[in-house]
Amino acid sequence: GAVVSQHPSRVICKSGTSVKIECRSLDFQATTMFWYRQFPKQSLMLMATSNEGSKATYEQGVEKDKFLINHASLTLSTLTVTSAHPEDSSFYICSALDRGYRYEQYFGPGTRLTVT
Amino acid sequence: KNEVEQSPQNLTAQEGEFITINCSYSVGISALHWLQQHPGGGIVSLFMLSSGKKKHGRLIATINIQEKHSSLHITASHPRDSAVYICAVRRKSSGDKLTFGTGTRLAVRP
Repeated sequence: GAVVSQHPSRVICKSGTSVKIECRSLDFQATTMFWYRQFPKQSLMLMATSNEGSKATYEQGVEKDKFLINHASLTLSTLTVTSAHPEDSSFYICSALDRGYRYEQYFGPGTRLTVT
Repeated sequence: KNEVEQSPQNLTAQEGEFITINCSYSVGISALHWLQQHPGGGIVSLFMLSSGKKKHGRLIATINIQEKHSSLHITASHPRDSAVYICAVRRKSSGDKLTFGTGTRLAVRP
């Protein structure tokens, strides 16, 4: 199946710093990618929809100035957590939509962010 | 009430048992996904269904659109099947966004 990568897989940062997470579709072009957040033992929560060449669409309650999303190419979307706080510590997962004949979403392996 | 409900929430089975996980939804959908999440966190897409039945190895997924219900079956379960299984639907009204169930935590004992 199609492959989506995320980098880094784990990151620890200090409060007040910014962290960038990359999501890449490795063998298909993805005009649409999704960013999710997952708290322990809870399901995924959609944060935003990232569209190549246009502004991301954020879900209600998600601060767009805090979670900056850039989808500059058909294979790369980035999520930057700005001025990170301990409450931003979470597991962040991206998915990429393959609009080929299968029309399916493929998920990345996730990034565990810890803010100290 | 959640739009996507899964049962059971937790399931423990002995190796070799036949396992069924259920998913019910209350909205119109264009597709339903079954996902597997291992303790490390990565998510694997097992099936995408819009009708009927699909089989891959020991896994079988069925969907009944009229009854708004889907099941995931695992035959001859194995400890490596231990994971969280998540049902997610693509709502007709939400484009490509997925709505997730809360997941079923499966533990298969040797």
